[in-house]
Amino acid sequence: NAGVTQTPKFRILKIGQSMTLQCTQDMNHNYMYWYRQDPGMGLKLIYYSVGAGITDKGEVPNGYNVSRSTTEDFPLRLELAAPSQTSVYFCASSYSQGDEQFFGPGTRLTVL
Amino acid sequence: QKEVEQNSGPLSVPEGAIASLNCTYSDRGSQSFFWYRQYSGKSPELIMSIYSNGDKEDGRFTAQLNKASQYVSLLIRDSQPSDSATYLCAAYDYKLSFGAGTTVTVRA
Repeated sequence: NAGVTQTPKFRILKIGQSMTLQCTQDMNHNYMYWYRQDPGMGLKLIYYSVGAGITDKGEVPNGYNVSRSTTEDFPLRLELAAPSQTSVYFCASSYSQGDEQFFGPGTRLTVL
Repeated sequence: QKEVEQNSGPLSVPEGAIASLNCTYSDRGSQSFFWYRQYSGKSPELIMSIYSNGDKEDGRFTAQLNKASQYVSLLIRDSQPSDSATYLCAAYDYKLSFGAGTTVTVRA
């Protein structure tokens, strides 16, 4: 099993550009999450999903969108990138609520 | 606003010593607690989970939970240079809330 995979690993965007961060898990987990981690800070929840077709906002959803059309995939969309979105983004998944979350390797995004 | 607070680091300990990490949480509804280890430039990985009051031991790691005091701790015994990392405390109610992390450096 590959676990949770994310692409790309690194990306530099210009202000106002858009992009999609990809996340795929092969553990048949229902729950998937997107976090951002700023230097010296913990992880902040952006969006989460409890199953295909169901998504909900986390703590810091502004400027992002998600979709969940399959159990495996949970892409994160950035529209109109801003310097404040410079961060490391982690995707995670878990079997059920309250279970251990498995993290992907992260995407380091810089917006200039 | 659910908050998880960790003792500020960095924490430097000599090899073979005990590293003690502390964490408090504000939400009394929190049911599950996790300690994640994060090496520099890497993703978090789970090292301990604890759900009920008391101690839980796994190898060189011991987690302690006191729900009345809203306090979670992690002890690392016989610290090794490979334990040098940032340790994230997390509390789960209906979402997982993370602390900012404590960076541990083990001196050889």
